[in-house]
Amino acid sequence: GQNIDQPTEMTATEGAIVQINCTYQTSGFNGLFWYQQHAGEAPTFLSYNVLDGLEEKGRFSSFLSRSKGYSYLLLKELQMKDSASYLCAVRFNDYKLSFGAGTTVTVRA
Amino acid sequence: DVKVTQSSRYLVKRTGEKVFLECVQDMDHENMFWYRQDPGLGLRLIYFSYDVKMKEKGDIPEGYSVSREKKERFSLILESASTNQTSMYLCASSQTGEKRKPQHFGDGTRLSIL
Repeated sequence: GQNIDQPTEMTATEGAIVQINCTYQTSGFNGLFWYQQHAGEAPTFLSYNVLDGLEEKGRFSSFLSRSKGYSYLLLKELQMKDSASYLCAVRFNDYKLSFGAGTTVTVRA
Repeated sequence: DVKVTQSSRYLVKRTGEKVFLECVQDMDHENMFWYRQDPGLGLRLIYFSYDVKMKEKGDIPEGYSVSREKKERFSLILESASTNQTSMYLCASSQTGEKRKPQHFGDGTRLSIL
């Protein structure tokens, strides 16, 4: 698989903003997905980026810079239910995905 | 809504046993995948299939095989289970052609090999 790097853990306060970074090698890049996974549950799709720029979906936004091999997921107005793991996944050349190890976000009251 | 169903949430087997994990999807997806998820390592692809009776190795196929006799069903087989195969196993499916369509995951099977 390809190297997909993201921080292991992040902690933030309810109502705050958190930014989760993801870096990957640029060769063969063909799209980037963000998933949310609550403990003991299936990963669920959050966002998709294939062109440079920001995609906004309510409180969640995702950004991509293809030349830098960089993406971030921005979580605004944090709620307790946002405590979960966030997975960055990159498609290289075909329909397989390579996943990062995931970032565990803990939201504190 | 896409539904990916894995036959068991929890499974306990013994070393050396042949183990079958089943996965069924109801959205007529062409592609199906088997991953294992371990702490600190993320999801790693074991095998995938892009059509009936077709299969390709992922990143960690050793000790596993798969079967896809029908479009909706994708089975993962541990030929002779070993303790290092204790893990969470996730099945996923996706549609061919529309690249922004995501993979959809089942709830996972937590497998313990004693």
